Amino acid sequence: GNSVTQMEGPVTLSEEAFLTINCTYTATGYPSLFWYVQYPGEGLQLLLKATKADDKGSNKGFEATYRKETTSFHLEKGSVQVSDSAVYFCALSSNTGNQFYFGTGTSLTVIP
Amino acid sequence: ETGVTQSPTHLIKTRGQQVTLRCSSQSGHNTVSWYQQALGQGPQFIFQYYREEENGRGNFPPRFSGLQFPNYSSELNVNALELDDSALYLCASTPRAPGSYNEQFFGPGTRLTVL
Repeated sequence: GNSVTQMEGPVTLSEEAFLTINCTYTATGYPSLFWYVQYPGEGLQLLLKATKADDKGSNKGFEATYRKETTSFHLEKGSVQVSDSAVYFCALSSNTGNQFYFGTGTSLTVIP
Repeated sequence: ETGVTQSPTHLIKTRGQQVTLRCSSQSGHNTVSWYQQALGQGPQFIFQYYREEENGRGNFPPRFSGLQFPNYSSELNVNALELDDSALYLCASTPRAPGSYNEQFFGPGTRLTVL
């Protein structure tokens, strides 16, 4: 079956530090992979996505590459800001688009 | 453009009761999915509705049921409430027919507490 395993948190970093949040998945077929973010007091929103192997999604300085060989979709940012403090969710959509799987979420706090 | 809205914001019920949660999808969005998010956990997919029919379902018992209306709004009904049903219930809509690559737009959620 399909599932997503996400790095446990919470994560605390200093401003301008490098960020990696690990995400691995198991899936049948050809899923799409997503990172959603939830800022304090707000709803879930899409951060980036990749729809096939070797695709790189990017947005707001964040990047993640769809690695089929390692079944991974790790989130990275070269220099985090205080405003990046949020909860990050890795997610998978089945190839038919009618089944969805989310990781447990990783809370990130960036301190000045 | 109005985003996804959900009502009510909060709800308290007792064990054994029934509850109906409502969702208005973003304008023009014809696919709606519902999720249950327990405290400290990620969203768990309940089901998806497209063209007023259930189009996919997660690992939830039949007492979780739904409806989608011609205007694409949706309801989640839960019968025989259990304590473990206490959670944040999220609705998400997408602007196209179901597809793996579709971004979902989430509402703010309904916080259900079962006593």
